[in-house]
Amino acid sequence: AQKITQTQPGMFVQEKEAVTLDCTYDTSDPSYGLFWYKQPSSGEMIFLIYQGSYDQQNATEGRYSLNFQKARKSANLVISASQLGDSAMYFCAMRGAGAAGNKLTFGGGTRVLVKP
Amino acid sequence: EAGVVQSPRYKIIEKKQPVAFWCNPISGHNTLYWYLQNLGQGPELLIRYENEEAVDDSQLPKDRFSAERLKGVDSTLKIQPAELGDSAVYLCASSLGTGKEETQYFGPGTRLLVL
Repeated sequence: AQKITQTQPGMFVQEKEAVTLDCTYDTSDPSYGLFWYKQPSSGEMIFLIYQGSYDQQNATEGRYSLNFQKARKSANLVISASQLGDSAMYFCAMRGAGAAGNKLTFGGGTRVLVKP
Repeated sequence: EAGVVQSPRYKIIEKKQPVAFWCNPISGHNTLYWYLQNLGQGPELLIRYENEEAVDDSQLPKDRFSAERLKGVDSTLKIQPAELGDSAVYLCASSLGTGKEETQYFGPGTRLLVL
């Protein structure tokens, strides 16, 4: 079974500063994908970044980067130069490669509030 | 390119009434998902379609929930009869395929309140 854990229910960050959101996972699949989504108050889940389990380099997408530590089973999201519009819920999710793991398993989320 | 479209955005009904949600996936996306998101939690998969076939409905409460994806494009999720505990956000998502690297793109969701 797959499991995603996000231990930070909420956090404040000062505008223009960087913030790291923690995510640990558990799976028996040797091949899997890790995703981060942003969910603003409007409700839509917005895809941010993807990391494959066999990728050699950490994924980056603009101000988002993923600190992937495979041995520790962690996939932390780093948001650099925070903006007020970054205030939202952030979800870490995992998808396995096997038939049973084809679904996305989400963590409980971290609420980020960016202070001006 | 248009994203995943869902309607209605909000729905308020009394318990024991039926309700239906509609989803139009991104054009060309063969795989469609329905998720349930309770307040303060991450989404949980209800059902996954590959084209018109439901390939994973193990989490769908089949006594009151049903879904269909006729012609492999639009999909409808129905609850009959609705219960108070069904109040939640129902999210639809789509992807090109089902590989581990395939990104799922979500719609805005339908917020259901059962009174």
